[in-house]
Amino acid sequence: AQKVTQAQTEISVVEKEDVTLDCVYETRDTTYYLFWYKQPPSGELVFLIRRNSFDEQNEISGRYSWNFQKSTSSFNFTITASQVVDSAVYFCALKGGSYIPTFGRGTSLIVHP
Amino acid sequence: GAGVSQTPSNKVTEKGKYVELRCDPISGHTALYWYRQSLGQGPEFLIYFQGTGAADDSGLPNDRFFAVRPEGSVSTLKIQRTERGDSAVYLCASSQTSGRADEQFFGPGTRLTVL
Repeated sequence: AQKVTQAQTEISVVEKEDVTLDCVYETRDTTYYLFWYKQPPSGELVFLIRRNSFDEQNEISGRYSWNFQKSTSSFNFTITASQVVDSAVYFCALKGGSYIPTFGRGTSLIVHP
Repeated sequence: GAGVSQTPSNKVTEKGKYVELRCDPISGHTALYWYRQSLGQGPEFLIYFQGTGAADDSGLPNDRFFAVRPEGSVSTLKIQRTERGDSAVYLCASSQTSGRADEQFFGPGTRLTVL
């Protein structure tokens, strides 16, 4: 069985603050993929990033960065200099040998102006 | 190109009625997934299709739920004898294949309310 835990239910920050969203996963598979999706208030989930289990290199894309650490089974997401448009629910997901994605419960990020 | 579309966007029905929810995936995507999302929760897997066949339906909660994808494109999720507990947003997603690396493209969802 696989499991994704996003312990932070809601995070509230003021614009320009940095914020990190935590994701911890469990799987018995040796080959798996981790994903982050964003669900803005409009409701449609949007893909942000994918990382495979053999690639622990951190990734940066503009104000977004991701830290994958197999030793702690974590795939955390950091937004630098947050903006109001970053307000959304963010989901971490895992896809392993069963090919069925497992999503976490999501973290609601509120960025205040 | 067009994204994933779902109809209707909202559906209100009475307990015991039958409903059909439709999903139009991105053209050329062979894999199609159905999820259910309750308030404050992540998407919960229901069923996925690879082509026309249901590759895994282990997430369907009971035999009142059924889905088809007869031509390998449009899919319909069917719920018989609806119950109040079926109220949720039903999401559809498609991906190029069902491979582990493939990201999913989600539709806007159908909000189902069972009175």
